[in-house]
Amino acid sequence: DTEVTQTPKHLVMGMTNKKSLKCEQHMGHRAMYWYKQKAKKPPELMFVYSYEKLSINESVPSRFSPECPNSSLLNLHLHALQPEDSALYLCASSQEPGTGQETQYFGPGTRLLVL
Amino acid sequence: AQKVTQAQTEISVVEKEDVTLDCVYETRDTTYYLFWYKQPPSGELVFLIRRNSFDEQNEISGRYSWNFQKSTSSFNFTITASQVVDSAVYFCALNDYKLSFGAGTTVTVRA
Repeated sequence: DTEVTQTPKHLVMGMTNKKSLKCEQHMGHRAMYWYKQKAKKPPELMFVYSYEKLSINESVPSRFSPECPNSSLLNLHLHALQPEDSALYLCASSQEPGTGQETQYFGPGTRLLVL
Repeated sequence: AQKVTQAQTEISVVEKEDVTLDCVYETRDTTYYLFWYKQPPSGELVFLIRRNSFDEQNEISGRYSWNFQKSTSSFNFTITASQVVDSAVYFCALNDYKLSFGAGTTVTVRA
């Protein structure tokens, strides 16, 4: 089973709201990722968690705050977002982080609209 | 620095035609891994294949086949006898400490 689940599927929020995206995997993977994808563009890496610790932050603005409560869960807390943050947010996981050979398995994504 | 180039932005074919997607990469590493992902309109990125730099054998999986040529730094993907369900964006990617994606090729298969 290579399933990564994400909730919610769609989210509309105002610029003053606080919301969270959730990602879950039960494959025993030790690395989890957040990507942002704008329309007609490839995914862009935001964060990487390796063994539940933040290992990579690709200079993401602080209005995005990741959290890894345990090895199966990954959250992305959103606060004071801008309309340009509207995008598809993808979560992924892989068995071992940082080796280069690991295959990342992606969830279905959360389509976020910031008004 | 790594770079993946997918020169074809969009390809449109009629069902049952073959379609080949080009992928050219740049890396200074001697060991590296290449991937293809499919992204249908639903949005999920679906893993198709992983290939390491030491394995130049071509691979076939059903109607999908991949041609890896290290000499030309290319990892091309062919869909044989395309079907409407193959309509999607296809990404080629190179993995170092992170996945570097190409810009993607949108494939539209018309009935």
